[in-house]
Amino acid sequence: GAGVSQTPSNKVTEKGKYVELRCDPISGHTALYWYRQSLGQGPEFLIYFQGTGAADDSGLPNDRFFAVRPEGSVSTLKIQRTERGDSAVYLCASSQQTGPDTQYFGPGTRLTVL
Amino acid sequence: KNEVEQSPQNLTAQEGEFITINCSYSVGISALHWLQQHPGGGIVSLFMLSSGKKKHGRLIATINIQEKHSSLHITASHPRDSAVYICAPSERFKTSYDKVIFGPGTSLSVIP
Repeated sequence: GAGVSQTPSNKVTEKGKYVELRCDPISGHTALYWYRQSLGQGPEFLIYFQGTGAADDSGLPNDRFFAVRPEGSVSTLKIQRTERGDSAVYLCASSQQTGPDTQYFGPGTRLTVL
Repeated sequence: KNEVEQSPQNLTAQEGEFITINCSYSVGISALHWLQQHPGGGIVSLFMLSSGKKKHGRLIATINIQEKHSSLHITASHPRDSAVYICAPSERFKTSYDKVIFGPGTSLSVIP
């Protein structure tokens, strides 16, 4: 079946603007994760959803970042008043269960804030 | 001290060579993932293991829970193996889910 998809693949925006990044997990996957990867670095955890609820949002850098998953499937990461430091690849991953399980990663959205 | 360390940080090998990438971690884990990321590409999960050894094609992953160490081996390396390999142990968090901690990655370049 289809893997994890993310849209858009690239997003260029101006400082101060609002952006939304979308993640479509694998159908039936309960767990959904958002990560951020800056150039030359490994991914860093942002937020984890178990179903519709954010079970752990401790990785969100500040209150400009927010994510939702209203129906327990598609998730949207929202960034307000973007800053140049927000430029990174935003990765989404899903897994079938919350315990130790293979995470399937999406291709990422490359966000560039000018 | 970092929770996850990998060695080497960078590795250049000749095509056909046997390659080993090492990972040491300090946290208690429920499982450990090995991930592959090609330049400019997405992340692919290679293995998830919690004990012993797993093999997939030319790739072999081993883990020693007592020593908190894992290795990824590539036999008969090929230029298409050139990528960053990330060791990512997952730690039980708040008793409710497993949180993945990403290592710094090992950048592998296989020369024809």
